[in-house]
Amino acid sequence: GAVVSQHPSRVICKSGTSVKIECRSLDFQATTMFWYRQFPKQSLMLMATSNEGSKATYEQGVEKDKFLINHASLTLSTLTVTSAHPEDSSFYICSARPGQGGDNTQYFGPGTRLTVL
Amino acid sequence: QKEVEQNSGPLSVPEGAIASLNCTYSDRGSQSFFWYRQYSGKSPELIMSIYSNGDKEDGRFTAQLNKASQYVSLLIRDSQPSDSATYLCAVYSGNTGKLIFGQGTTLQVKP
Repeated sequence: GAVVSQHPSRVICKSGTSVKIECRSLDFQATTMFWYRQFPKQSLMLMATSNEGSKATYEQGVEKDKFLINHASLTLSTLTVTSAHPEDSSFYICSARPGQGGDNTQYFGPGTRLTVL
Repeated sequence: QKEVEQNSGPLSVPEGAIASLNCTYSDRGSQSFFWYRQYSGKSPELIMSIYSNGDKEDGRFTAQLNKASQYVSLLIRDSQPSDSATYLCAVYSGNTGKLIFGQGTTLQVKP
């Protein structure tokens, strides 16, 4: 149980284009989903927290107009990187938290590797 | 002081040995603790959660929690080369609703 999927697993795009990444909890309902970014040999960096049906909460320094997050249902959250530039190239990872019964465990998706040319 | 601290390593152990990974945290009110494993180029994978003082065993893994000392550890028995990865300690913050991660300890198991 507790499987989280991400799509696509890898994307290469041209500078200036927008890229959408989907995160789905496959066998549970996620009250909260999280989006992380990780550069090579660096720690996970939390970008934003999203709750179903409400606006995402962004971490300090993360541009909310550039990284659009939508948590449309209890099983789906999307991250759109708008007008992507080479410096946005990174490993984007989502996680989902069931939240029911006080379970604070986060389950991670497999990640999406974004390369902006 | 960082909220969650781990020795970055690398920690090198021979195959078959016990690997001991340590983590300290600053928020005395923390109640939920997690260990994740992250292979190079992959996303984190949950190994264990622990909520009560004492030991919790799952196969070759044992998590230990001491809330008085604000200390969490992970023991890996009979270490295998496939255990070579970065191990992340995470503490749930009730104040923020987020997991606070340590920087991770890199484990190398040598055949």
